[in-house]
Amino acid sequence: KNQVEQSPQSLIILEGKNCTLQCNYTVSPFSNLRWYKQDTGRGPVSLTIMTFSENTKSNGRYTATLDADTKQSSLHITASQLSDSASYICVVSVMYSGGGADGLTFGKGTHLIIQP
Amino acid sequence: EAQVTQNPRYLITVTGKKLTVTCSQNMNHEYMSWYRQDPGLGLRQIYYSMNVEVTDKGDVPEGYKVSRKEKRNFPLILESPSPNQTSLYFCASSAGTRSYNEQFFGPGTRLTVL
Repeated sequence: KNQVEQSPQSLIILEGKNCTLQCNYTVSPFSNLRWYKQDTGRGPVSLTIMTFSENTKSNGRYTATLDADTKQSSLHITASQLSDSASYICVVSVMYSGGGADGLTFGKGTHLIIQP
Repeated sequence: EAQVTQNPRYLITVTGKKLTVTCSQNMNHEYMSWYRQDPGLGLRQIYYSMNVEVTDKGDVPEGYKVSRKEKRNFPLILESPSPNQTSLYFCASSAGTRSYNEQFFGPGTRLTVL
């Protein structure tokens, strides 16, 4: 069964500090992995997407890494800001060769709180 | 502005009273989808549509209906809502069915069924 596990469930850090969120998956066959940021009361917004051949992707202060061998990804946030307080969701895709849509498996998210 | 809109944003209703949550996108996207988000369970796909008149079940379709008569609209219908359908609902759209196409999410509809 395809699964995506994220850790920690929640995290509190001080403004200006760095943090790393983890995503482990058992999805097969792997197509790509995307990280979303979801502000409270809003819809998720894509931060990065990585395919099998990519092992790092940056978007400003956000850097995602992917180890396809161990099926692990991380999202590193540098010099955190109050606006980084949100839930971060890892989504792993399966590419189907037929005519249907790709399958998406969502993690439950990490709730990050940045304290001043 | 490119966006996905949902209405209503908040809805409180009673068991058994039919309701429709509308979803519209202005990006000419082919693919649209509905999700529900519950604490501790994350986002789960209800239904999706790959194009006009083409819809398919997601992971949790029971108790829901959808239609795709026009490319821009994808309403979610609850014929007889029950309390276990109390949730936060998101509509999303993307340019195509391949997952490298980014999904754009609407602002969400918080539904409470009493």
